[in-house]
Amino acid sequence: GQQVMQIPQYQHVQEGEDFTTYCNSSTTLSNIQWYKQRPGGHPVFLIQLVKSGEVKKQKRLTFQFGEAKKNSSLHITATQTTDVGTYFCAGPPSGGYNKLIFGAGTRLAVHP
Amino acid sequence: DAGVTQSPTHLIKTRGQQVTLRCSPKSGHDTVSWYQQALGQGPQFIFQYYEEEERQRGNFPDRFSGHQYPNYSSELNVNALLLGDSALYLCASRRTGGEKLFFGEGSRLTVL
Repeated sequence: GQQVMQIPQYQHVQEGEDFTTYCNSSTTLSNIQWYKQRPGGHPVFLIQLVKSGEVKKQKRLTFQFGEAKKNSSLHITATQTTDVGTYFCAGPPSGGYNKLIFGAGTRLAVHP
Repeated sequence: DAGVTQSPTHLIKTRGQQVTLRCSPKSGHDTVSWYQQALGQGPQFIFQYYEEEERQRGNFPDRFSGHQYPNYSSELNVNALLLGDSALYLCASRRTGGEKLFFGEGSRLTVL
């Protein structure tokens, strides 16, 4: 079945450093979504990318969708302690609009 | 405007017992999905309900069953609990045609 993989599993950075997490799907995605889960919390929707090569920005966060629509990345510029949490990418399987396949997530720790 | 609400927040059961988890979707949402999140993993799709019917199901055994009521609220039932069922159970809702999921805080189930 379809798999969604994320790397790295864990990254710790000093506050102010940049951070990037990568997401790869075994199949082409119609769209990809990113969620953030704070420690002890629940996933919160960040963004959805739909078009091949799409780039979207939210303040210090930059999201990209690959040209082949099989990979995506999230880049955070100048991390802050409020960025701490686990970032998940997720996409619907082929023909499976009703569910999302989540990656295992990248856990970000930010040291002040 | 309440978001997605789940109950109970925490519960402890023993092997072989049965559990019922409850979810009220966000106002205006009619589609409810359930996800299981094991520690350190991404959410895994269990099933989705729309118009009181199960529309799609993930790779979970028949011990996992659900229901949706006319007011769109939903229940997840798990029978014959196993130790491996210990996880955070997340309810997510969306409106018809929407793709963004709104997650509840989750129900943390511990099976001893």
